[in-house]
Amino acid sequence: EVRLVESGGGLVKPGGSLRLSCAASGFTFGDYSMNWVRQAPGRGLEWVSSISSSSTYINYADSVKGRFTISRDNAKNSLYLHMSSLRAEDTAFYYCARDPHTYATSSALWGQGTLVTVSS
Amino acid sequence: EIVMTQSPATLSVSPGKRATLSCRASQSVSSNLAWYQQKPGQAPRLLIFGVYTRATGIPARFSGSGSGTEFTLTISSLQSEDFAVYYCQQYNNWPYTFGQGTKLEIK
Repeated sequence: EVRLVESGGGLVKPGGSLRLSCAASGFTFGDYSMNWVRQAPGRGLEWVSSISSSSTYINYADSVKGRFTISRDNAKNSLYLHMSSLRAEDTAFYYCARDPHTYATSSALWGQGTLVTVSS
Repeated sequence: EIVMTQSPATLSVSPGKRATLSCRASQSVSSNLAWYQQKPGQAPRLLIFGVYTRATGIPARFSGSGSGTEFTLTISSLQSEDFAVYYCQQYNNWPYTFGQGTKLEIK
């Protein structure tokens, strides 16, 4: 089965750190650029970060630049998001997803999301 | 940053009728425009990519159109399962950006 499964969410204090993981299965993970997208409870979608298949190209939203780091391990079929200096406004469901530029050749694929809550 | 503006924020339509959702970009996004449907407690579901190409398994009642900065998602005959929130997304430039969403509700 082709799927993405996020993990690592939880409750963290402001200023703290957290690492999210996204495990891919059922497809050749190393062939795909990947994204993290988040959604605060009851709010809209916000793109967070992208990484190319070989990690050559990396981009971040201004709201997380300098605080979040995206990475991947193609040998482990895994995508990561290391989040530091967390703020209350980072509270959201975090989804990993295949990059939209892959839609023309492959089906869209999103995980089910993992909830990060930043609160004291 | 390209700003995506969706209208209306909420659309009330009766089942069986047509729904037309709009999305405007602050600058051209070429054909790199997608539409997603999201229901409560679920991840977004891709409906349309490349402005008008339906994703795998998406019914023909969903269609996309437009170019440059003005885009439209049309649902030709609303079914009960279509009432949800819809987002457009541009993936022409980083940062990729989403519209704020249109909630499609039953009239």
